Amino acid sequence: NAGVMQNPRHLVRRRGQEARLRCSPMKGHSHVYWYRQLPEEGLKFMVYLQKENIIDESGMPKERFSAEFPKEGPSILRIQQVVRGDSAAYFCASSLTDRGRDTEAFFGQGTRLTVV
Amino acid sequence: KQEVTQIPAALSVPEGENLVLNCSFTDSAIYNLQWFRQDPGKGLTSLLLIQSSQREQTSGRLNASLDKSSGRSTLYIAASQPGDSATYLCAVRYGYNTDKLIFGTGTRLQVFP
Repeated sequence: NAGVMQNPRHLVRRRGQEARLRCSPMKGHSHVYWYRQLPEEGLKFMVYLQKENIIDESGMPKERFSAEFPKEGPSILRIQQVVRGDSAAYFCASSLTDRGRDTEAFFGQGTRLTVV
Repeated sequence: KQEVTQIPAALSVPEGENLVLNCSFTDSAIYNLQWFRQDPGKGLTSLLLIQSSQREQTSGRLNASLDKSSGRSTLYIAASQPGDSATYLCAVRYGYNTDKLIFGTGTRLQVFP
């Protein structure tokens, strides 16, 4: 059972371009979380998705950022018209369910976005 | 506001020392607390998960304690080794209906030979 897979591992974009980050959750997991880690800062929650639904997007910037988790395929975090301040590591986590004491979120290796 | 704080921010010790890393949280109504390790440029590795009803968890040379009433958790590392050098992150889960985590800013540990 492969872990949470994120790609690409490294992404370089020029200012104004679009960045697309992909996350394939662990097999059988239907809950996905995206976090952002700015340089020298801790991880900050961005968005929580279940298949075809956004459950909590309280950490998402209001503009340029969007996320989806379609019925088929990976979850996508999209950043439009990137700016230098978007440079960060973006981590995805997945869990089997959101209920119960035994649930635990497993993290991917992250995508490191650099905006030049 | 739910916040998680970790002290110290950085720690450098000689090999063999026993270490204590601290984590504090402002809202004591937690669901569970998790300690992670992050190596430079890498992802997160889960070390220990403590449920709100538990007081401690142990794994090898690691022991994590939880005191909900005072809003604190400590990670104890026994007989530290250079391979323990990494950033250690504390994260708190508050909700039953979500695995969303609130992270501290981490403690950067360096263990030198």
